[in-house]
Amino acid sequence: DIQMTQSPSSLSASVGDRVSITCRASQSISSYLNWYQQKPGKAPKLLIYAASSLQSGVPSRFTGSGSGTDFTLTISSLQPEDFASYYCQQTYSSPYTFGQGTKLEI
Amino acid sequence: EVQLVESGGGLVQPGGSLRLSCAASGFTFSSYWMHWVRQAPGKGLVWVSRINGDGSSTTYADSFKGRFTISRDNAKNTLYLQMDSLRGEDTAVYYCARTSYSSNWYQDYWGQGTLVTVSS
Repeated sequence: DIQMTQSPSSLSASVGDRVSITCRASQSISSYLNWYQQKPGKAPKLLIYAASSLQSGVPSRFTGSGSGTDFTLTISSLQPEDFASYYCQQTYSSPYTFGQGTKLEI
Repeated sequence: EVQLVESGGGLVQPGGSLRLSCAASGFTFSSYWMHWVRQAPGKGLVWVSRINGDGSSTTYADSFKGRFTISRDNAKNTLYLQMDSLRGEDTAVYYCARTSYSSNWYQDYWGQGTLVTVSS
């Protein structure tokens, strides 16, 4: 199975900050990497697919980059509604594993 | 509008069975692969299973092979997850998700989830 490792596990930041979350795959997954946002008690929401493609309706302050084994989700200027948990997921091969998550706190 | 609505969760004893349903609307259900993902309380997301559009191909994470069965009824626009031999560690919110493809596969729509509690 492909292991996905996110860092950091938690992150404290302020409104207006620029933050980055990294995701590392245990083997190359090309660009088969997605990012999701999840708020407490809610379903995950797709932010980025194919490593760098912005899902329709997602604000442009969210950007994704990387390929192979190393990926980054960047939020350029944090807004109050961005404080949530973030997960990466590989869809290169089954099982389609998720990272352990990053909790972004104020 | 795409909608996915899960149901069938609840309290079940260890060793018991439960069947979850996911009613889909707002898109051509039979054209999409569908997935189940679960999340134990306070924990991260775990991929469970997937099924192709006509139901002829299924895949499971190793942890669920032989105990869980994914299926679909395209006439009813409904996805199912039959869960047998349930254990305490299966306690989780179970989400269904639609899968789309553009350069890679991704889950673009998710249901609200249904809570399964395995306890005596």
